[in-house]
Amino acid sequence: EDKVVQSPLSLVVHEGDTVTLNCSYEVTNFRSLLWYKQEKKAPTFLFMLTSSGIEKKSGRLSSILDKKELSSILNITATQTGDSAIYLCAVEAGVSLRFGAGTRLTVKP
Amino acid sequence: GAVVSQHPSRVICKSGTSVKIECRSLDFQATTMFWYRQFPKQSLMLMATSNEGSKATYEQGVEKDKFLINHASLTLSTLTVTSAHPEDSSFYICSALAGPYPGELFFGEGSRLTVL
Repeated sequence: EDKVVQSPLSLVVHEGDTVTLNCSYEVTNFRSLLWYKQEKKAPTFLFMLTSSGIEKKSGRLSSILDKKELSSILNITATQTGDSAIYLCAVEAGVSLRFGAGTRLTVKP
Repeated sequence: GAVVSQHPSRVICKSGTSVKIECRSLDFQATTMFWYRQFPKQSLMLMATSNEGSKATYEQGVEKDKFLINHASLTLSTLTVTSAHPEDSSFYICSALAGPYPGELFFGEGSRLTVL
């Protein structure tokens, strides 16, 4: 059965810290891995990764996929209170999109 | 960017009634749409994958007869919660896949269902 596992489940840091969120997966017919930020309602798209070893960057956020290790990391540098959210990892496999349980990040002032 | 619209954003109904939620891709065609349910303080749970012109694929544990999904056109998928009960109260979100795999997913704003 396909599965996506995120770690840690929750994380509390202070402003300015750097955090690394992990996502590992076991799926058949892998297509892509996506990261989302969920705050209030629907999650907002962050990155889509399909190729191993190519870092995607957006401001203070970056992500990379390792197909050999079947995992991805999401880095956030110089965290701000506005980064507090649940970060979701999802893997497109076949015709489905499997979500991890999410990592709840809390950034304290 | 692409926009996915859900309607209604909020609905309150009596127990035993049926409620239909629409998910529309406004500026692109989506052959595949997904329906999720979110429980408080939890991640999204995939309920089903909706493919235009064919039957939806339901996740294990999701009752097909209770949550009817229809993807009648390339821009519209509907979720009907039949004979709703208070335990069906939840936040339902749809997403639409733009383009062929791998493609970007665009999420609707969600619909909050409250069953009295």
